[in-house]
Amino acid sequence: TQLLEQSPQFLSIQEGENLTVYCNSSSVFSSLQWYRQEPGEGPVLLVTVVTGGEVKKLKRLTFQFGDARKDSSLHITAAQTGDTGLYLCAGGDSWGKLQFGAGTQVVVTP
Amino acid sequence: DAGVIQSPRHEVTEMGQEVTLRCKPISGHDYLFWYRQTMMRGLELLIYFNNNVPIDDSGMPEDRFSAKMPNASFSTLKIQPSEPRDSAVYFCASSLGWVSYEQYFGPGTRLTVT
Repeated sequence: TQLLEQSPQFLSIQEGENLTVYCNSSSVFSSLQWYRQEPGEGPVLLVTVVTGGEVKKLKRLTFQFGDARKDSSLHITAAQTGDTGLYLCAGGDSWGKLQFGAGTQVVVTP
Repeated sequence: DAGVIQSPRHEVTEMGQEVTLRCKPISGHDYLFWYRQTMMRGLELLIYFNNNVPIDDSGMPEDRFSAKMPNASFSTLKIQPSEPRDSAVYFCASSLGWVSYEQYFGPGTRLTVT
């Protein structure tokens, strides 16, 4: 079983601050995805990274896939209250099956 | 375009009763996944289908759980008999092609077994 560990488990910051969430594994994944989930809703895909060392930017969000394809990070610049949510990373195997981390709960206060 | 549709959104039932959860994937998607989410265990994959055929059901907790996909636009997850420990949010997700890996989730069904 490939285990994905996310850190921190909980993060509370003020609007305007930056934050970084980490996703680590001892196993190699074919792809790494980040999702955000809000209360009462399903996870929503933010990004997919497939190449070791890949960096993707989505407005204020920057995603990085480690060179060895075992770890990833999500960095949010100038956080807004709308960034509040549960951030989940998920590693994909060659069959399209995803293994999810436990998630990082991010709370951005005004 | 409509996303993944799940019904019901909430289900409250008594222990021992049969529960059926329903899912309509995004049109054209050939993979369908059933997940369960709890505070203790997070998001767990129960079973997934490719072109209506079950591929991996290793995550199904026990024989009380069964899933079917009679056609490309409909799937069910059945629990019979239900137990209080089955209380969770059940999500259905779909994706297009194995190289995509990008899964689109439905809004979930919150199941409470009393």
